[in-house]
Amino acid sequence: AQKVTQAQTEISVVEKEDVTLDCVYETRDTTYYLFWYKQPPSGELVFLIRRNSFDEQNEISGRYSWNFQKSTSSFNFTITASQVVDSAVYFCALMNYGGSQGNLIFGKGTKLSVKP
Amino acid sequence: EPEVTQTPSHQVTQMGQEVILRCVPISNHLYFYWYRQILGQKVEFLVSFYNNEISEKSEIFDDQFSVERPDGSNFTLKIRSTKLEDSAMYFCASSEARVGTTYFGPGTRLLVL
Repeated sequence: AQKVTQAQTEISVVEKEDVTLDCVYETRDTTYYLFWYKQPPSGELVFLIRRNSFDEQNEISGRYSWNFQKSTSSFNFTITASQVVDSAVYFCALMNYGGSQGNLIFGKGTKLSVKP
Repeated sequence: EPEVTQTPSHQVTQMGQEVILRCVPISNHLYFYWYRQILGQKVEFLVSFYNNEISEKSEIFDDQFSVERPDGSNFTLKIRSTKLEDSAMYFCASSEARVGTTYFGPGTRLLVL
């Protein structure tokens, strides 16, 4: 099965707290890509990061960091010192290299609310 | 920065009517997609399009749906006879390569009454 699970439906934090959004994936492919997208209240889908299955190096971009662990099939996303503008729904997504023409399989999303 | 654009942003239609949703993908991209998001749910793949033909489609993309690239810039999704359950946000997306990063447009919110 090819599947993305975001077990946290909603998370609420207070500004400046750190928060981690979990993502667990299932795939039969050995080559695949993982993504995170942000969907703010305005509704658009904003690309955040793409990772390929051969690159397990963690990545940091400003207050955002991503922890990719193939051993646990997880690709978790941490926001450090959260801000109100981080309030959004965050989607993790999987793209397999083989077969399909690059379509994304999304998780159900985690709604993050950051309160002042 | 190049972006995917979509028109209209909102569309209200009566059940049974045809709708056409329009998209302009990023200009140097070769792969085009439509996704759907029913309110409060996850984003679902509908169809991918490359080299002027459908590459893959999901179970959702039945005979009521069609896609077209009528000219060098536009990419359209047509729903022939809308149903209530077609009410959703429809996202157009494009990528440069088959497994490239997918960039999404702002979406068209379709409401079928």
